Amino acid sequence: GAVVSQHPSRVICKSGTSVKIECRSLDFQATTMFWYRQFPKQSLMLMATSNEGSKATYEQGVEKDKFLINHASLTLSTLTVTSAHPEDSSFYICSAERGGGGYTGELFFGEGSRLTVL
Amino acid sequence: ELKVEQNPLFLSMQEGKNYTIYCNYSTTSDRLYWYRQDPGKSLESLFVLLSNGAVKQEGRLMASLDTKARLSTLHITAAVHDLSATYFCAGNTGTASKLTFGTGTRLQVTL
Repeated sequence: GAVVSQHPSRVICKSGTSVKIECRSLDFQATTMFWYRQFPKQSLMLMATSNEGSKATYEQGVEKDKFLINHASLTLSTLTVTSAHPEDSSFYICSAERGGGGYTGELFFGEGSRLTVL
Repeated sequence: ELKVEQNPLFLSMQEGKNYTIYCNYSTTSDRLYWYRQDPGKSLESLFVLLSNGAVKQEGRLMASLDTKARLSTLHITAAVHDLSATYFCAGNTGTASKLTFGTGTRLQVTL
């Protein structure tokens, strides 16, 4: 079946540094990917829609200058948390939508990346 | 704006018992998803419900969708400890498959 891979699975960084998280669709092309954030014991909140070859669409309240999204190819989207602070510590999960023909209506989720900012 | 609510938020049940998790949503959703999440893990897809009256079953779990009532249910039959996890429902709107998640139901099955 389809696989979406995220890297790194865990990252610890110091406050003020930037962290990049990668989301790859391994066996299909994804014109659209989504980034979610999940705080402990809470639900998933959509942060942004990543569109291949164009700018990401951010949800209300999400700072686009802080959470940089790049979707340069049909199999890779990256989320960069710039100048990270402890309140950015969270579980970040991406999902990928199968592009082109044969769209099944099912999304595929990555394994998640746990960010801890000290 | 789509809003999705689940209840209960927490459910403790004994092995062998049956129970239902409810998912209400506020506006029309193209499809309704159910996911399972184990602690520290990502989401595992359980069901995708596409139309009114849809019913899907996998093992001890059965999901249904009533689009007129804007309600989906996840029924657990004869619960076993391995079903302990957090369960999320999610809907989407429009053509984009971006999901709005429910609050989640933390299920604890006790021996």
